[in-house]
Amino acid sequence: GQQVMQIPQYQHVQEGEDFTTYCNSSTTLSNIQWYKQRPGGHPVFLIQLVKSGEVKKQKRLTFQFGEAKKNSSLHITATQTTDVGTYFCAGRDTDKLIFGTGTRLQVFP
Amino acid sequence: KAGVTQTPRYLIKTRGQQVTLSCSPISGHRSVSWYQQTPGQGLQFLFEYFSETQRNKGNFPGRFSGRQFSNSRSEMNVSTLELGDSALYLCASSPPQGQLGNYGYTFGSGTRLTVV
Repeated sequence: GQQVMQIPQYQHVQEGEDFTTYCNSSTTLSNIQWYKQRPGGHPVFLIQLVKSGEVKKQKRLTFQFGEAKKNSSLHITATQTTDVGTYFCAGRDTDKLIFGTGTRLQVFP
Repeated sequence: KAGVTQTPRYLIKTRGQQVTLSCSPISGHRSVSWYQQTPGQGLQFLFEYFSETQRNKGNFPGRFSGRQFSNSRSEMNVSTLELGDSALYLCASSPPQGQLGNYGYTFGSGTRLTVV
């Protein structure tokens, strides 16, 4: 079945540094979604990318969908302590949404 | 509008028992998906229901089952509980395909199940 891997598994950064997580699927995706889960919380939907090569921005967050629609990335510029949490990508396999392994971000003030 | 409601929030059960978890989706959402989250395995897809029909199923044993009612509320049941079933069980609702737009899945706060 479809597998969605994310790297790195963990990332510790100093506040103000940039952060990037990468998502790779074993199959071509119709779309990709990104979620953030704060410690002790539940995943919260951030964004969905649909088109090949698509780039979307949300303030300090930049999301990119690969040309082959098999990979994606999330880049955070100048991290803040409020960015702490686990970031998941999720790709749609037919009708079910398969979540990536997640990248846990820790930001030190 | 109200979010996704999961009950109970916490549950402690003994090995061999069974458990039923409940999920009420956002009003108007007819699709409900269930996920198991553990520290080592991340978010694992259990099943998805749409209009009272199971549309997809993940790779879990038959001890895990679910159903959806006509009001879109969903329940999942785990029979003959094992220690390894201890996890956070998350339910997510989504609007019908074609209306997904940029809305994604809305998750409930989850039910934390501990099997002792």
